[in-house]
Amino acid sequence: LAKTTQPISMDSYEGQEVNITCSHNNIATNDYITWYQQFPSQGPRFIIQGYKTKVTNEVASLFIPADRKSSTLSLPRVSLSDTAVYYCLVGGLTGGFKTIFGAGTRLFVKA
Amino acid sequence: DAGVTQSPTHLIKTRGQQVTLRCSPKSGHDTVSWYQQALGQGPQFIFQYYEEEERQRGNFPDRFSGHQFPNYSSELNVNALLLGDSALYLCASSMSTGNYQETQYFGPGTRLLVL
Repeated sequence: LAKTTQPISMDSYEGQEVNITCSHNNIATNDYITWYQQFPSQGPRFIIQGYKTKVTNEVASLFIPADRKSSTLSLPRVSLSDTAVYYCLVGGLTGGFKTIFGAGTRLFVKA
Repeated sequence: DAGVTQSPTHLIKTRGQQVTLRCSPKSGHDTVSWYQQALGQGPQFIFQYYEEEERQRGNFPDRFSGHQFPNYSSELNVNALLLGDSALYLCASSMSTGNYQETQYFGPGTRLLVL
């Protein structure tokens, strides 16, 4: 299972774009990259998943370079309600069915 | 469409006791995974159930056991509780696809306090 490395914490202001980068140097060919968001005392919530290049949905974009050794979650125009912990996960069936969460990135959005 | 539900929401036990936590998956999902999340840490994978069998297990002792029923709901049992078992226990459900990392939908969790 590929290990992931993320910044421990980040600060931002309302209305700014936030980019959180995750390193996964040992990503396997069949691995996907998935990001979750978690608020205190709640379960993680799926944000976005991708395999390569760029994926965009209604809440975020995911940028994956050609070597796939890193990925960047982009949150456009954050608000106070985006203050949460963001987890980057890498895995797939080649690693079994485990899902390994790291420590995550604590994003704090200020007014 | 109900999402993943868990019961109870909170629970207080004493050391040595046994506890059973319950999870109902999202409609249409057939796979249930359980996680333990200590305060300030990421969720730690306990095990996953599919077709009523344990398909994968994390690094947890045998005191942690589970079950999946024909309706896909699941139970997590913890025996001989230790103070260190105090945590938020999360259930996640997914649809087994067989060809890519399955998106998991998490419940709100059960907060267990062991005294």
